[in-house]
Amino acid sequence: AQSVAQPEDQVNVAEGNPLTVKCTYSVSGNPYLFWYVQYPNRGLQFLLKYITGDNLVKGSYGFEAEFNKSQTSFHLKKPSALVSDSALYFCAVRAENNRLAFGKGNQVVVIP
Amino acid sequence: DGGITQSPKYLFRKEGQNVTLSCEQNLNHDAMYWYRQDPGQGLRLIYYSQIVNDFQKGDIAEGYSVSREKKESFPLTVTSAQKNPTAFYLCASSITRGKTNYGYTFGSGTRLTVV
Repeated sequence: AQSVAQPEDQVNVAEGNPLTVKCTYSVSGNPYLFWYVQYPNRGLQFLLKYITGDNLVKGSYGFEAEFNKSQTSFHLKKPSALVSDSALYFCAVRAENNRLAFGKGNQVVVIP
Repeated sequence: DGGITQSPKYLFRKEGQNVTLSCEQNLNHDAMYWYRQDPGQGLRLIYYSQIVNDFQKGDIAEGYSVSREKKESFPLTVTSAQKNPTAFYLCASSITRGKTNYGYTFGSGTRLTVV
């Protein structure tokens, strides 16, 4: 079955420092990968996706993600974290019947 | 503006009651989904529908029911058979072209609490 794993429960980073949120995937065939962000008591907001093409994908709010086929990873990155980036981040992969399978989420805390 | 609307934002249910959560979209998306979110467990799929008048069970369908009579609407009923319904419920829709899912648009969620 298609799945993603987010190995860390929480990521703490100082404001202004680089932010990385890790995601690894397991698929048969070509992966379609996504990142979403969720603020408290809100729905998920789309950040970026990888379907095909360049391995470095740029998305909303200054985020980017690097697709690495050999390491089966799709880590989310931001060069300089803001306090407002504190939120819950979900990685997802297209799964059976064209639905998305989500990771368990990573809480990001940006410390002023 | 196009979007997906969930209502109500907060819902309280008494033991033994059925309640219905509304989800409406004006994005002309074919597929719609219901997820349940519990702390530390991520998103779990309850039901999904890829076309009007058709829907499939997800990973945790027991105690829930849905209908898809219109393309725009995908209501979720939490029945009395669902023993632990307190959670945050998220509805989503997606566009599919050539059977490819290009990602979801989510509603803002309904928080259901059993009282």
